[in-house]
Amino acid sequence: AQTVTQSQPEMSVQEAETVTLSCTYDTSESDYYLFWYKQPPSRQMILVIRQEAYKQQNATENRFSVNFQKAAKSFSLKISDSQLGDAAMYFCAYRSARETSGSRLTFGEGTQLTVNP
Amino acid sequence: ETGVTQTPRHLVMGMTNKKSLKCEQHLGHNAMYWYKQSAKKPLELMFVYNFKEQTENNSVPSRFSPECPNSSHLFLHLHTLQPEDSALYLCASSQEVSRAATNEKLFFGSGTQLSVL
Repeated sequence: AQTVTQSQPEMSVQEAETVTLSCTYDTSESDYYLFWYKQPPSRQMILVIRQEAYKQQNATENRFSVNFQKAAKSFSLKISDSQLGDAAMYFCAYRSARETSGSRLTFGEGTQLTVNP
Repeated sequence: ETGVTQTPRHLVMGMTNKKSLKCEQHLGHNAMYWYKQSAKKPLELMFVYNFKEQTENNSVPSRFSPECPNSSHLFLHLHTLQPEDSALYLCASSQEVSRAATNEKLFFGSGTQLSVL
């Protein structure tokens, strides 16, 4: 079974600075998807960024980028120029690319990010 | 308007009560999901409905009973719950191309915070 581990329960960053959230996962599969979701105080989970395992290029979405190290099974999220609105719980998630896996997303335990003004 | 609306936002119930959680999506999606989010634990997938058919039941106790009358509405009927069932229940939806395929981009509601006394 796949597992996702976020070793940082809490992180903080100064506004306008850069922060990196860590995520590691365990799988025996070669084709899969990885995600970062953000859950602000409103509780609604919002997709921040996704990465296909077969792509070597790291995904980027504006101020958000990932460092995907397939061999190390590592998938960290970098937030540049942090803003107050980035404060939220961030979840790393894994999904197999096999159709028979259904829609099962395996989530990590989350990292609570605080942005200090 | 989030696209996925959940009601009620908060619910307190006794162990002998019967209540229902409601989810409605306005995105034209054909797949809907229930997730359970407990404190300090990863999100757990409970049920998946794809084209109104239940395609996953993640070994959820029978005191949780889902209902999907159409592709826009999803209910979670609750009866004789236990205090350990207290959690945030999140609904999500996605657009699938077929019953077998799944799309990893989920759109979440803001959840129902359930407390069982």
